[in-house]
Amino acid sequence: DAGVTQSPTHLIKTRGQQVTLRCSPKSGHDTVSWYQQALGQGPQFIFQYYEEEERQRGNFPDRFSGHQFPNYSSELNVNALLLGDSALYLCASSSVEAYEQYFGPGTRLTVT
Amino acid sequence: EDQVTQSPEALRLQEGESSSLNCSYTVSGLRGLFWYRQDPGKGPEFLFTLYSAGEEKEKERLKATLTKKESFLHITAPKPEDSATYLCAVQGGNDMRFGAGTRLTVKP
Repeated sequence: DAGVTQSPTHLIKTRGQQVTLRCSPKSGHDTVSWYQQALGQGPQFIFQYYEEEERQRGNFPDRFSGHQFPNYSSELNVNALLLGDSALYLCASSSVEAYEQYFGPGTRLTVT
Repeated sequence: EDQVTQSPEALRLQEGESSSLNCSYTVSGLRGLFWYRQDPGKGPEFLFTLYSAGEEKEKERLKATLTKKESFLHITAPKPEDSATYLCAVQGGNDMRFGAGTRLTVKP
């Protein structure tokens, strides 16, 4: 049973560029959430997708956007990258019927 | 606003020395409290969900308990492989809110 997968593993971008991160949920899950985790901090909620719609959003600017596809996979897009966007980006999947979220290995984004 | 505070920030134990990690929370309408384990550079690994005060869950050397204002993660006779950061999170009416974690080191 495949767990949550994310790509790429690592990414280095320059300030002002745009980036797209990808996530495939655990088999049987239909809900995808994205988190940003700075070093030494807990994950911070960015947004959640269900049925291809953004269902909830955390306190992140509009530079952060997402998409969910019919097969439940998801993308996180960040425009106009800032140095402060450097972090581990985590994708978590769950079933709409349960609250437990299962995390992927994350994408380490470095903005220079 | 929902808040989660974990203590201590870091904990160093000798192998076999039992201890507890604390998670204090304020949330409107608790739908679940979650414990995760996170190894460096990796995604959090799900451990437990607790739904109501008085509930307890166990897995190997770990036991999680819940009251109306806090949760404890008890570690009995820890081994070096238990070294990790342990994260607590609450699900209220909105998003899942995480604490900053407790970094546990178990020395042989």
